[in-house]
Amino acid sequence: DAGITQSPRHKVTETGTPVTLRCHQTENHRYMYWYRQDPGHGLRLIHYSYGVKDTDKGEVSDGYSVSRSKTEDFLLTLESATSSQTSVYFCAISESWGAEDHFGPGTRLTVT
Amino acid sequence: TQLLKQSPQFLSIQEGENLTVYCNSSSVFSSLQWYRQEPGEGPVLLVTVVTGGEVKKLKRLTFQFGDARKDSSLHITAAQPGDTGLYLCAGENNNDMRFGAGTRLTVKP
Repeated sequence: DAGITQSPRHKVTETGTPVTLRCHQTENHRYMYWYRQDPGHGLRLIHYSYGVKDTDKGEVSDGYSVSRSKTEDFLLTLESATSSQTSVYFCAISESWGAEDHFGPGTRLTVT
Repeated sequence: TQLLKQSPQFLSIQEGENLTVYCNSSSVFSSLQWYRQEPGEGPVLLVTVVTGGEVKKLKRLTFQFGDARKDSSLHITAAQPGDTGLYLCAGENNNDMRFGAGTRLTVKP
């Protein structure tokens, strides 16, 4: 299995609180991605990174921010969580753009 | 609105049957990927197709990319219970990556 982990795997939080999800890879891949998966919508790209401190917005970036201070770590932050951000969040990595080679196991986030 | 439309949404068949699922779009893609996802896990990449008309085979799975690079199909021969899962297609173009909502396949023994 590819070395990609996510933490936490499950989280329940209250509306208005900040939340940070972590993705860690041991593959030294250049690209890292954050997706959310919701019934009927499939996977939607939130943000992605093409290198240390290099990030860009995806399809559904509002309400989310990201940071990548090291090649191996990509953080997703919800500054003030809302119920609409209840979802399963997946991190993915790839060596080149456009073919996510490996996905993490996912983080199930519930905002009450 | 889904940029990539997958059909059927749900498919339940008996072991040994053949099946085809589809991924259609009005947009042209530089590349298209197929993934399989099992409950509680992340998607697993099955194949990437990049050339219009390209056909790739992975054991009992055959993937085809449309000539115009707007659609794709996945054909499974002699389906097995282990093929059960959510099959997702994803298209890439101009630094934009979009996924379909998936086809949920159940293969009954």
